[in-house]
Amino acid sequence: KAGVTQTPRYLIKTRGQQVTLSCSPISGHRSVSWYQQTPGQGLQFLFEYFSETQRNKGNFPGRFSGRQFSNSRSEMNVSTLELGDSALYLCASSLWGPGGELFDTEAFFGQGTRLTVV
Amino acid sequence: GEDVEQSLFLSVREGDSSVINCTYTDSSSTYLYWYKQEPGAGLQLLTYIFSNMDMKQDQRLTVLLNKKDKHLSLRIADTQTGDSAIYFCAEKKGAGTASKLTFGTGTRLQVTL
Repeated sequence: KAGVTQTPRYLIKTRGQQVTLSCSPISGHRSVSWYQQTPGQGLQFLFEYFSETQRNKGNFPGRFSGRQFSNSRSEMNVSTLELGDSALYLCASSLWGPGGELFDTEAFFGQGTRLTVV
Repeated sequence: GEDVEQSLFLSVREGDSSVINCTYTDSSSTYLYWYKQEPGAGLQLLTYIFSNMDMKQDQRLTVLLNKKDKHLSLRIADTQTGDSAIYFCAEKKGAGTASKLTFGTGTRLQVTL
């Protein structure tokens, strides 16, 4: 069974640009969460999607957005990039029961996309 | 407070036991986790414990939970050089699909020969 796949692995962008990161969850997993990891702030929750709907959101500005497709693949977008957006962006997928209840507690993480803003 | 706290660094000799500590924030957290992150890699779930348990053992790993003090620890027996990594504790706040993981600051474990 393939794991969580994030693309691209590395990305360099300049300030003011926008970027889209992709995450393909484990087959059958319906929940995808995104996290930002920086040396200063550690791991911070961005948002979670389940069945194409955003279910939970962290404390990030509106420049950070995401979406989930019908095949559970998710993308996150960051507009008007700032130097402080340089980070490792991790996505995690989880298996959820048909009623939206927690069926399997384990979150599987991808290897991340390392974004550098110059 | 909002932060899940861990000590930043731990150094142990190969073959000794390592104990990594974590203080979490929400007494209603349902699950508590330990993740391992090796250089250049994502997070690997090592083990988790449900909040109604005091202890969980899984091969070389032992998790202890003190709900009263909101204290979680991970003991690694017979620590090996391959255990060198950053270890994160995390708590799951909320329920069902509205839940999210809140991570600690991470403890860098260095294993010396």
